[in-house]
Amino acid sequence: GENVEQHPSTLSVQEGDSAVIKCTYSDSASNYFPWYKQELGKGPQLIIDIRSNVGEKKDQRIAVTLNKTAKHFSLHITETQPEDSAVYFCAAPGARQLTFGSGTQLTVLP
Amino acid sequence: DSGVTQTPKHLITATGQRVTLRCSPRSGDLSVYWYQQSLDQGLQFLIQYYNGEERAKGNILERFSAQQFPDLHSELNLSSLELGDSALYFCASSTWTGGATDTQYFGPGTRLTVL
Repeated sequence: GENVEQHPSTLSVQEGDSAVIKCTYSDSASNYFPWYKQELGKGPQLIIDIRSNVGEKKDQRIAVTLNKTAKHFSLHITETQPEDSAVYFCAAPGARQLTFGSGTQLTVLP
Repeated sequence: DSGVTQTPKHLITATGQRVTLRCSPRSGDLSVYWYQQSLDQGLQFLIQYYNGEERAKGNILERFSAQQFPDLHSELNLSSLELGDSALYFCASSTWTGGATDTQYFGPGTRLTVL
């Protein structure tokens, strides 16, 4: 099945700086890569996703890049704000289910 | 608000007991997924239903079972509960076109505490 590795497990940045979270996957047939944000006490919320026909996708301060050759994809958050503090999960599809990374706790320091 | 609802929000019970968690998918979604999130753990897929039928099974214990009803709501039944079953249980829904590439929308979760 699909194996997803996510790094780093924790990340602290100063407000206004950029944050980058990286994931690698094992199944070269995977073609859909969502990112979820989970705030304390809430369910995961989809923030951006990318399909394998594009290499990059942006939505305001958030971007995702995909390198299918190397089998990795990354989440980029620019101009970080305190409300960006949360746990972020990447995911990749296996044959029948999404496999999630282990999560990154992002802390934006004021 | 994702449109997925889950009840109850919190559940406290004792070892050996049985509980039922309920999920209503987003309007128009026919597929429901159940996940378990233990302390400091990621999201572990348990099971998926589509229009009343089981479609995929993950690491779901034999003590756990689920079903999806004609009105598309789903229930996750957990029996002979153990301390290690304490976790957050999430339901997600999607339209599902086959495979695992459909966008899943998560509910707010049920926090289960087994004492």
